[in-house]
Amino acid sequence: IVLTQSPGTLSLSPGERVTLSCRASQSVRSSYLAWYQQKPGQAPRLVIYDASSRATGIPDRFSGSGSGTDFTLTISRLEPEDFAVYYCQQYGSTPYTFGQGTKLEIK
Amino acid sequence: QVQLVQSGSEMKKPGASVKVSCQVSGYRFTDYHLHWVRQAPGQGLEWMGWINTNTGNPTYAQGFTGRFVFSLDASVSAAYLQISSLRAEDAAVYYCARRITVAARPVYEIWGQGTKVTVSS
Repeated sequence: IVLTQSPGTLSLSPGERVTLSCRASQSVRSSYLAWYQQKPGQAPRLVIYDASSRATGIPDRFSGSGSGTDFTLTISRLEPEDFAVYYCQQYGSTPYTFGQGTKLEIK
Repeated sequence: QVQLVQSGSEMKKPGASVKVSCQVSGYRFTDYHLHWVRQAPGQGLEWMGWINTNTGNPTYAQGFTGRFVFSLDASVSAAYLQISSLRAEDAAVYYCARRITVAARPVYEIWGQGTKVTVSS
């Protein structure tokens, strides 16, 4: 399954609301879709799994939604620490695949 | 404290081999399988496969068969990734990762810090 994330880069200011998109080339079984945040030089950090469940320690400004082939990650109010690259991952079928990433940068 | 600690950066010549280790601590080694993920320079994440920490049976994603070998030493709670006949395109950061605890899903809550492999003559 190929995951296409859009847009590639977003320039935003702290306090703004943002929605990232992840579109799958075929339906993702059971909405087995996750989102990760990665900062330079660091390992990815799990943000959302099962399309809408927040991982441990993730603040509630992060929310996920979607099913089938269309998924979104929303950050309701950007904090300075949220600027990073975000990847979606599907794990409904092997090979598990990741999107190419969306970079959130400070405007 | 649950941790995956990987071995340090490696610089190898084309054609050489490299072995990356992933040391588990803070939980029972056999409770969770371990996955490997590659990230080429400036690129995204690529799932390489996983190893069953109970049986040692590896599963490889397409594109990671032949030169890539996952192995274990359960006596020291460690997993290994060995890459042989290194090519320039193998240069990447390699991560080991463990799934979340709250659900049996291959989504990765615990990651090693990554091991950078450089391939250059």
